[in-house]
Amino acid sequence: DTEVTQTPKHLVMGMTNKKSLKCEQHMGHRAMYWYKQKAKKPPELMFVYSYEKLSINESVPSRFSPECPNSSLLNLHLHALQPEDSALYLCASSQMGRGSYEQYFGPGTRLTVT
Amino acid sequence: GQQLNQSPQSMFIQEGEDVSMNCTSSSIFNTWLWYKQEPGEGPVLLIALYKAGELTSNGRLTAQFGITRKDSFLNISASIPSDVGIYFCAGQLRRAGGTSYGKLTFGQGTILTVHP
Repeated sequence: DTEVTQTPKHLVMGMTNKKSLKCEQHMGHRAMYWYKQKAKKPPELMFVYSYEKLSINESVPSRFSPECPNSSLLNLHLHALQPEDSALYLCASSQMGRGSYEQYFGPGTRLTVT
Repeated sequence: GQQLNQSPQSMFIQEGEDVSMNCTSSSIFNTWLWYKQEPGEGPVLLIALYKAGELTSNGRLTAQFGITRKDSFLNISASIPSDVGIYFCAGQLRRAGGTSYGKLTFGQGTILTVHP
């Protein structure tokens, strides 16, 4: 089973709203990732968690706040977003060690900021 | 930073034709991954390559890790309509004690259209 699930599938929010994206995996992976993807472009890394601790933050604005409550769950809290933040947000997970190269992606959350 | 050049940017082919796409890098990688992404979905891992010169197949797909460690190609044989999508290569260089673990460098993608 290589399934990563994400909710919601679609999200429309105003610039003053607070919302959260959720990601879950049950593959026993100890590394989890958030990516942002614009149409027909490659995914751009935002955050990496390893063993539930934030290990990489790619200089993401503070209006995006990640959280890893346990080894299976990853959240992305959104607050005061801008229209240019509209994109597909992808979660991924991987094993640690040699297998860490194989990242498995979820279906994504399509976010529209109005 | 590392740059990946993926070509071609797009391909329009007839069903049954073979497809070839490649990625080249300005620096070496020790892992190459190939993903396919369909509209409205996340990327799906197709093939992972770990050793220079490695040739790996997955059904009608074949990928190779270049000897120089700076390139990789993906071939699709006898294309079918469901092969439509965007194909991304991704490379990773893991440095001992470094922070590059977990970071993939993606190519810009190859958009594949298959006409029945």
